[in-house]
Amino acid sequence: GAVVSQHPSRVICKSGTSVKIECRSLDFQATTMFWYRQFPKKSLMLMATSNEGSKATYEQGVEKDKFLINHASLTLSTLTVTSAHPEDSSFYICSARDETNPGNTIYFGEGSWLTVV
Amino acid sequence: KQEVTQIPAALSVPEGENLVLNCSFTDSAIYNLQWFRQDPGKGLTSLLLIQSSQREQTSGRLNASLDKSSGRSTLYIAASQPGDSATYLCAVRSRGAQKLVFGQGTRLTINP
Repeated sequence: GAVVSQHPSRVICKSGTSVKIECRSLDFQATTMFWYRQFPKKSLMLMATSNEGSKATYEQGVEKDKFLINHASLTLSTLTVTSAHPEDSSFYICSARDETNPGNTIYFGEGSWLTVV
Repeated sequence: KQEVTQIPAALSVPEGENLVLNCSFTDSAIYNLQWFRQDPGKGLTSLLLIQSSQREQTSGRLNASLDKSSGRSTLYIAASQPGDSATYLCAVRSRGAQKLVFGQGTRLTINP
């Protein structure tokens, strides 16, 4: 089946540095990918919709300059957390839509745990 | 604005029981509805997708139904096993929308 790969699965960074998380669709092309943040025991919070070749669409309240999204190819979207702070520590998950699939099924990556120290 | 609700928030049953998880949504103009499973600390696994024109989908011991007019979907799990323990999430894509709207999930525990 369709697979979405996220890397790294876990990352620890120092406060003030930037960290990049990659999301790849491995066996299908995805013009649309999504980035979520999930707090412990909570549901997913959509941060932004990533569109290949154009600017991402951010949800209300999400800082565009802090969470930089780049969707440079049909199989890769990246999320860069800039000037990270401890409150940015969270579980980040991406998903990609398989538009060749009749139902446009959305597949999720395994998530990335970010810890800012 | 589409809102998705899942009831119950948590459910604990003995192994072997059949069970039903509920999902309701406020706007019936949907494109599709998807059920996911999430294990602790992991990403989401797609279980079933029901398109707007469909009434149900089946995969193994799982059956998902869709009633757009009443704004409801159910996920039926037959002969539950301890390995089914996870959080189950229902998500709706509204017509004309790109994104999924998620329910809060049902945390399911199957006791051996």
